[in-house]
Amino acid sequence: AAGVIQSPRHLIKEKRETATLKCYPIPRHDTVYWYQQGPGQDPQFLISFYEKMQSDKGSIPDRFSAQQFSDYHSELNMSSLELGDSALYFCASSPRQSTDTQYFGPGTRLTVL
Amino acid sequence: GQQLNQSPQSMFIQEGEDVSMNCTSSSIFNTWLWYKQEPGEGPVLLIALYKAGELTSNGRLTAQFGITRKDSFLNISASIPSDVGIYFCAGPFPGSNYQLIWGAGTKLIIKP
Repeated sequence: AAGVIQSPRHLIKEKRETATLKCYPIPRHDTVYWYQQGPGQDPQFLISFYEKMQSDKGSIPDRFSAQQFSDYHSELNMSSLELGDSALYFCASSPRQSTDTQYFGPGTRLTVL
Repeated sequence: GQQLNQSPQSMFIQEGEDVSMNCTSSSIFNTWLWYKQEPGEGPVLLIALYKAGELTSNGRLTAQFGITRKDSFLNISASIPSDVGIYFCAGPFPGSNYQLIWGAGTKLIIKP
């Protein structure tokens, strides 16, 4: 079965640079979620979108923004990167009628030097 | 910060042993989810529970939704090497249909 696709899988950036992470949800899933997971930590919810509208917001820094497009894919834009932004970033998707059950992508490992 | 208390933090077991882990919350949950995560990969949904008292199996995995709705248990029977990983409980953030909150995870290590 098709899964959530994330790109890139690995990204290395310098401090103060910008980064864009992409997420392609499972077909017919119209809700996407972004999570950040630091080393040895549980995933922390950042933000979610349904039908291109922000549906919920968690601990997303003001330096980050995200959007969902008409084909339901989503992008997380990160600016003024800091060393502490180094983490795994996961995207998850769910069908609207099952928002409690989220299927995760393989993640993007961001390293800020 | 997280609102789910998951224990144990780690388990060292022999292959073939049964495993039990649990998660508790100070709030009532309507859904309990159990995920497994392997290094460098995204969490994979194992079992979803929607009703108090519900007992659901997925192969050698069995999870239960506590009758108080404030806890859940995951059992793995006859563990095998591929069971190694971190197991997370998760549930919807109170008042949200979108945000999941997570336990700290149980790291399962199988002794050779």
